[in-house]
Amino acid sequence: QSVLTQPPSVSGAPGQRVTISCTGSSSNIGTGYDVHWYQQLPGTAPKLLLYNNYNRPSGVPDRFSGSKSGTAASLAISGLQAEDEATYYCQSYDTSLSGSVFGGGTKLTVL
Amino acid sequence: QVQLQESGPGLVKPSETLSLTCFVSGGPIISTDYYWGWIRQPPGKGLEWIGSVYYSGSTYYNPSLKSRVTISVDTSKNQFSLKVSFVTAADTAVYYCARISGEWQRPQYNWFDRWGQGTLVTASS
Repeated sequence: QSVLTQPPSVSGAPGQRVTISCTGSSSNIGTGYDVHWYQQLPGTAPKLLLYNNYNRPSGVPDRFSGSKSGTAASLAISGLQAEDEATYYCQSYDTSLSGSVFGGGTKLTVL
Repeated sequence: QVQLQESGPGLVKPSETLSLTCFVSGGPIISTDYYWGWIRQPPGKGLEWIGSVYYSGSTYYNPSLKSRVTISVDTSKNQFSLKVSFVTAADTAVYYCARISGEWQRPQYNWFDRWGQGTLVTASS
């Protein structure tokens, strides 16, 4: 099991809004460490989607947004498009494991 | 635009050592704003951080892999390397190198902002 828990899958129709949760604990997100999100399109390397909970790198559409509260974080995707179909990973730092940790990934299906 | 490219054998025999190199182009490997890391992804599974290296040669390792992993940097060639000893089938994965944005002294607050395309390494006889 991953230290950060994500739902295995979510789905939505084009144009809809979906959210992906990332649940941690007091040794990672709950300590105040930031959460970062990555998008992995099929057969490609992960790509940074959000950093420091909600900041978008240049080129990432504002349809992608993030938030963090307590021991959890979430990624929201509004105005779903077919090209958003991918696996999304959250990442933070864990003091007990002394290193970066990832969620197990959430596969987004655009219906 | 910084780019990273992994290279190395795609097949390693069990009990032997996996060796990969990541060449960094489009920018210097020497930086106080970035450092460098390795992440792996077994087929059909999630991501696992292996370790990180600063241009000075300082390293952080995943405790679960620390006894078998060595990461080093060669600033003259603008590249860094990964070695994993005594490999087993469980080490079969796509190995990614990445740039890590943030201060070396504060790994708790950093993220992977550039990734290589990844290279599949299979541990099999």
